Amino acid sequence: NAGVMQNPRHLVRRRGQEARLRCSPMKGHSHVYWYRQLPEEGLKFMVYLQKENIIDESGMPKERFSAEFPKEGPSILRIQQVVRGDSAAYFCASSPRGQARETQYFGPGTRLLVL
Amino acid sequence: GQQVMQIPQYQHVQEGEDFTTYCNSSTTLSNIQWYKQRPGGHPVFLIQLVKSGEVKKQKRLTFQFGEAKKNSSLHITATQTTDVGTYFCAGNNFNKFYFGSGTKLNVKP
Repeated sequence: NAGVMQNPRHLVRRRGQEARLRCSPMKGHSHVYWYRQLPEEGLKFMVYLQKENIIDESGMPKERFSAEFPKEGPSILRIQQVVRGDSAAYFCASSPRGQARETQYFGPGTRLLVL
Repeated sequence: GQQVMQIPQYQHVQEGEDFTTYCNSSTTLSNIQWYKQRPGGHPVFLIQLVKSGEVKKQKRLTFQFGEAKKNSSLHITATQTTDVGTYFCAGNNFNKFYFGSGTKLNVKP
């Protein structure tokens, strides 16, 4: 009964590098959500994906950020040419069918630090 | 656009005192969920409210959903040090969750 898994748990990057964050949803869950949490702040929705589909990316910055959830393998949140302002905790959550009344189960998060 | 406001931002209480956090949405919600995040941890689901005027209890925690389904509250009776953390509400509208900014609770022993 593994929960939502994220790796790496901590990631340090220099400005201009790329960051790749991975999320494996709970077994049986086909819907993944990514959130960003700045220090001392709440969770900001970024993107909602189903296998091979982006359902809602209204919270994603227009540039440098992309997300995918392939048929096989984990969901990936990719940040190109990172800047200091990208430093944050990135959480993914999963749910079985993406329905409104389902619980979202959160992973432990990836703490990204951009130097 | 859709907004969910949560107050207060911080709350410091003495152990044994009560605590309440409030959540207000700019639009009617289909349901609302509450999460707790311990320091350095990740959000953990606490409860979901669906019906207008619904009240649910979990031991010392009481959750309410307003009649208009636009506001909600979480009340903790007789806080303990294990209650420390940030409490988030998440309002759902059109299958999208809007998280409040959270209330950070500190309990002094």
